[in-house]
Amino acid sequence: DQQVKQNSPSLSVQEGRISILNCDYTNSMFDYFLWYKKYPAEGPTFLISISSIKDKNEDGRFTVFLNKSAKHLSLHIVPSQPGDSAVYFCAASGSTGTASKLTFGTGTRLQVTL
Amino acid sequence: GAGVSQSPSNKVTEKGKDVELRCDPISGHTALYWYRQSLGQGLEFLIYFQGNSAPDKSGLPSDRFSAERTGGSVSTLTIQRTQQEDSAVYLCATTSGPSSYEQYFGPGTRLTVT
Repeated sequence: DQQVKQNSPSLSVQEGRISILNCDYTNSMFDYFLWYKKYPAEGPTFLISISSIKDKNEDGRFTVFLNKSAKHLSLHIVPSQPGDSAVYFCAASGSTGTASKLTFGTGTRLQVTL
Repeated sequence: GAGVSQSPSNKVTEKGKDVELRCDPISGHTALYWYRQSLGQGLEFLIYFQGNSAPDKSGLPSDRFSAERTGGSVSTLTIQRTQQEDSAVYLCATTSGPSSYEQYFGPGTRLTVT
């Protein structure tokens, strides 16, 4: 039972263009969402988050959009840079009563090409 | 150190042997998680420690898996009678507390069972 789904295992984008990574969830009790970035041989690092009371959060080149009615969120990276090439995990919190307990998606591998 | 550290970084073991993986959390972080990431999969929750409370073991895949956290600091994950399907990257993450969403990950231990 995959409660957080990232249906695109990989994505290739040209440098300078927009990267859009998608995430869907099924549990309506989730109320906080996070994106993590993972380079090979390293642990995931926190990138950006959004509370369910918002529909958008922006941090520099990174923007996360939340559509609660569709149970969908997306991460936009613009402009994309080669250093953005990594695996991106979507994560959600709120269904268990412990904020820090996260449910992760399976990840999307982003390749930014020159 | 400033971040979460894990040891060993790589472990190759024969099927049937026991292994012990170690996590040194960020000082002062009371919540500690273990995850595993199998090839091509997302982060699978294994176990959660919060302060002196009983751990949440709901993610442990079998009774061959156990974990402890001594003195609220260092944690060890033990896998007994390892099987080939245990091969994965085992990740440890900590947060400052149960109400803190952002998790800080260690670099992981890559376990290969031959």
